[in-house]
Amino acid sequence: DAMVIQNPRYQVTQFGKPVTLSCSQTLNHNVMYWYQQKSSQAPKLLFHYYDKDFNNEADTPDNFQSRRPNTSFCFLDIRSPGLGDAAMYLCATSIYNEQFFGPGTRLTVL
Amino acid sequence: AQSVTQPDIHITVSEGASLELRCNYSYGATPYLFWYVQSPGQGLQLLLKYFSGDTLVQGIKGFEAEFKRSQSSFNLRKPSVHWSDAAEYFCAVDAPGGGNKLTFGTGTQLKVEL
Repeated sequence: DAMVIQNPRYQVTQFGKPVTLSCSQTLNHNVMYWYQQKSSQAPKLLFHYYDKDFNNEADTPDNFQSRRPNTSFCFLDIRSPGLGDAAMYLCATSIYNEQFFGPGTRLTVL
Repeated sequence: AQSVTQPDIHITVSEGASLELRCNYSYGATPYLFWYVQSPGQGLQLLLKYFSGDTLVQGIKGFEAEFKRSQSSFNLRKPSVHWSDAAEYFCAVDAPGGGNKLTFGTGTQLKVEL
């Protein structure tokens, strides 16, 4: 089945230690998104790619970076995770105004 | 800027009872409207969407939603709830021509009593 895959599903890192979350898709969609979802809150868009064009939300901290080396893969890099960055990170793809979400990566910061 | 309001943070219904989850949006024109469901520790699954046309939209898992322009609402309904429907439900909007960016409501947590 075509899908959005996120690895790992659970990630534990230490305060200040860089971490990378990955997302891949078999849908061949040209738009990919990263959302941050804290406990009991709505998903918050961090940034998105339209093909290789990167679009950062105005309030996304500089600590968050992203890479999209090809259509299928997208990475979220957190350069110096703080305790406040503990959250579920959701990747999504889009075509024809409909977004398809991956299962998410739960990030814990110790 | 567009916004989405889900006035009910928590709702509890008995299995077999009907369900209505409320969603109101604020936007100058008619946006694209969506309902997503999220089970604990999982990603979001699309239940249904409205772009234009018939204002009553059918979705998966027996859900439907009705778009009411006069009330700026897009309420989600199900005639008979199953225990497996317990989850969090998010309403979302996307402004046409707004770059495929969703604005989510704060969500409604549904509990189903057996």
